[in-house]
Amino acid sequence: AQKITQTQPGMFVQEKEAVTLDCTYDTSDPSYGLFWYKQPSSGEMIFLIYQGSYDQQNATEGRYSLNFQKARKSANLVISASQLGDSAMYFCAMRETSPPDSWGKLQFGAGTQVVVTP
Amino acid sequence: NAGVTQTPKFQVLKTGQSMTLQCAQDMNHNSMYWYRQDPGMGLRLIYYSASEGTTDKGEVPNGYNVSRLNKREFSLRLESAAPSQTSVYFCASSLKEGGTEAFFGQGTRLTVV
Repeated sequence: AQKITQTQPGMFVQEKEAVTLDCTYDTSDPSYGLFWYKQPSSGEMIFLIYQGSYDQQNATEGRYSLNFQKARKSANLVISASQLGDSAMYFCAMRETSPPDSWGKLQFGAGTQVVVTP
Repeated sequence: NAGVTQTPKFQVLKTGQSMTLQCAQDMNHNSMYWYRQDPGMGLRLIYYSASEGTTDKGEVPNGYNVSRLNKREFSLRLESAAPSQTSVYFCASSLKEGGTEAFFGQGTRLTVV
């Protein structure tokens, strides 16, 4: 079963506007971590932000914030003031902690392609 | 530059050939991972190593073997390449098992013909 669902295959956003990328996840593990990565056309994977399941506050990193709604199992990424350089594929990922050998495994969604237009 | 270094960056193999993808990190990380990325899909875990001396299967281990040579290096071997193994391969590392950030290498684009 798909653990991470990203329902938006692609999005266009105008420069300087905010954009929200959706991510829902499925786990019965009480302790887990949620990640967002950016993959530009050059192919590298760039870590953006992390949210732990027990973190009380939503994570923020510069222009990136994670809208964590635990009861809805939702971890949407918000990019404020979009820039042309934000054009990339964005992946949501989750790591569970049980069974014990799950701890090292990141599970990724299919990604959302974001295109920022002038 | 510090980080995760993968070699080679590109490779074309014939079906049945073998090869080893190399990965090294200089961040003193404990955990290392190998993922593959196929078109239209996110990354899927092949194998990982929580610490030096240990390796474990991920989601798609069939057709691959790994070696954690030392704390820095984690190699992925294809013994008999198949067209289904055409993919982009990423190595990653994190400070400890379950660290809050995983750093990725630049990827290896492998084509099996």
